[in-house]
This record gives sequence, C-alpha cells and structure tokens, in this order.
Amino acid sequence: QKEVEQNSGPLSVPEGAIASLNCTYSDRGSQSFFWYRQYSGKSPELIMSIYSNGDKEDGRFTAQLNKASQYVSLLIRDSQPSDSATYLCAVNSGRWNSGGSNYKLTFGKGTLLTVNP
Amino acid sequence: GAVVSQHPSRVICKSGTSVKIECRSLDFQATTMFWYRQFPKQSLMLMATSNEGSKATYEQGVEKDKFLINHASLTLSTLTVTSAHPEDSSFYICSAGDRGPSGNTIYFGEGSWLTVV
Repeated sequence: QKEVEQNSGPLSVPEGAIASLNCTYSDRGSQSFFWYRQYSGKSPELIMSIYSNGDKEDGRFTAQLNKASQYVSLLIRDSQPSDSATYLCAVNSGRWNSGGSNYKLTFGKGTLLTVNP
Repeated sequence: GAVVSQHPSRVICKSGTSVKIECRSLDFQATTMFWYRQFPKQSLMLMATSNEGSKATYEQGVEKDKFLINHASLTLSTLTVTSAHPEDSSFYICSAGDRGPSGNTIYFGEGSWLTVV
C-alpha cells in the first residue's frame, strides 16, 4: 500500500514568517513529487514539482526532496494571508508510458495552513 | 501553462437520475485523464484512469457500471454518474497529464460539485 503522510495541522504562522510543510512517502520507487494548494471548495492548484534530490526554488516557494529519507517539504517564505489554504503533497511511483496508465498520483490528506495578519 | 476545463461546476439532480460531467484539456492532448472524488475535509481519492480509445481503469471499490467514463478524443473525457443517490454527492475533479521537458505534471480541472437530492 503506497502511502503519503502529512501533518493535518492546522499550521498557523504570522504574516511574513516562513511556513514549513512536510510530507513522507512509503514507496521508495517514487519518481515525481508535487505540492498542490487547495482553497476551500476549489480544485487543487499546482504549486511546485520536484524530481531530483535537493532544493528547487520558485518565487517564495522552495521544495526540498530527500529520497534517501523519503521526505519532501515545501517552504513558503514571507507568508501572506492569501497563502492560507490546504496544501496537498502528491507522489507518483509509476512511469509515464504512451498510455499513461502507470502514472497515478497518491495524495496525502493535506495540511491546513493559516497565515495570520 | 496547461489548462484543464471541467463542466458543469455545480449540478443538482434528483435521486435516480444520471449526471454527466465533462473534462477537457484546452491546450494539450491528453491520452490519459484521471477522475477523483473528494468528500468534505477528505483527501482526493482516485476513482479511475481514463484512457483515450480504450476502457477506463477503475480503482478498487469504484463501481464501473455506476460511474461511466468515456474518453472519445484526446481532449475530452466524460464521467457519467448513473442512478445517482444522495451518497454520491461530492466534489468530482478531473485531471490530465502534460508531458513537459522537466517531467510529467498533472493539472486539475476546476471541479464539479454534485448534489443529489
């Protein structure tokens, strides 16, 4: 059973602070890792994707991947109230073939982040 | 970036009737689309993988005769909830994969809220 674990939160940080979101996964063969942001009642929105060990930065967001520890994190710098949402970690263990049938994301339950003004 | 469009965004139907939800990839061809269901405060649960020109692959526990999936073209997949009941009320989300230079990324549609009364 492939599992993705996240702390459900809520995680509360003051405006301007760094929010740190963590995720662990069980399948050591996982290839691709994603962070999605989901506002209440809305569909998930892709924030970051990361495929290799290390850090990947995009604006205020930094994704960190450590495959040896089976751990992926998301840092949000200078947090804003508009960042308040549920953050979903998603992991893919399959490979994209012509039919895509092995390409299946497993989602964590999400971490609710609240940024206080 | 890649865009996935879903319609309708909200639908209310009477118990026993059928409802069709459409998912379109707007600026890329998607040989594979995915259908998820999300109950309030729960994570996304994959229902089925829709493959263009072939039968969908359903996850364990998902009734294929109740949730009919058709993927007739590279840009359109439909989910039909047949003989809907109140317990089918949920947020249904489709997604499609785009094969980019950095890897493969899944983008989500806006989601469809189904209420069965």
